[in-house]
Amino acid sequence: DGGITQSPKYLFRKEGQNVTLSCEQNLNHDAMYWYRQDPGQGLRLIYYSQIVNDFQKGDIAEGYSVSREKKESFPLTVTSAQKNPTAFYLCASSPREERGGHEQFFGPGTRLTVL
Amino acid sequence: QQPVQSPQAVILREGEDAVINCSSSKALYSVHWYRQKHGEAPVFLMILLKGGEQKGHEKISASFNEKKQQSSLYLTASQLSYSGTYFCGTEEVAGYQKVTFGTGTKLQVIP
Repeated sequence: DGGITQSPKYLFRKEGQNVTLSCEQNLNHDAMYWYRQDPGQGLRLIYYSQIVNDFQKGDIAEGYSVSREKKESFPLTVTSAQKNPTAFYLCASSPREERGGHEQFFGPGTRLTVL
Repeated sequence: QQPVQSPQAVILREGEDAVINCSSSKALYSVHWYRQKHGEAPVFLMILLKGGEQKGHEKISASFNEKKQQSSLYLTASQLSYSGTYFCGTEEVAGYQKVTFGTGTKLQVIP
């Protein structure tokens, strides 16, 4: 079955530690995204990538980093510079086409808690 | 800047109708609608494109007023399964792949 997997579902880290969240898709989608979700604030875009080896900052990129070395994978690193990293993180992918307008497919999410 | 959704929350009895609105201050190419159940991933409902094209579920209806940069999602004869948080997402430039989501509308359907 095609889809997006994120691991782990729950993650606990100590303050000051970097942590990497995994996102893998087998939908053959070019575009991939990372969102952060906090209560009452909807989905805020952290980073997105339209093709391999290329990515752009979203609205809240500070304190985060990404890589896109393979089409299927788009890992997100939450660095110690992120002041309030505790949140629910969602990864998504979509086909890439010039005219746009494609739905995004979301993974199940990772709930990160920094102690 | 995030699109603005209204209302922020609504409670319906089964069978009642609801309208959720999404408004942007910028010109839009498309509007997306998703529903999220608590603790789960958002699920696609519909996309409305500039020019009138729509993609999505047959039982969900929505409108897109390009001139006013507004979209509305119409939920008719609501069922318990409609409960969740509804998000609109806006795309300003065709092909740029960037979607900005609103803060959500929490919908609860009660028996």
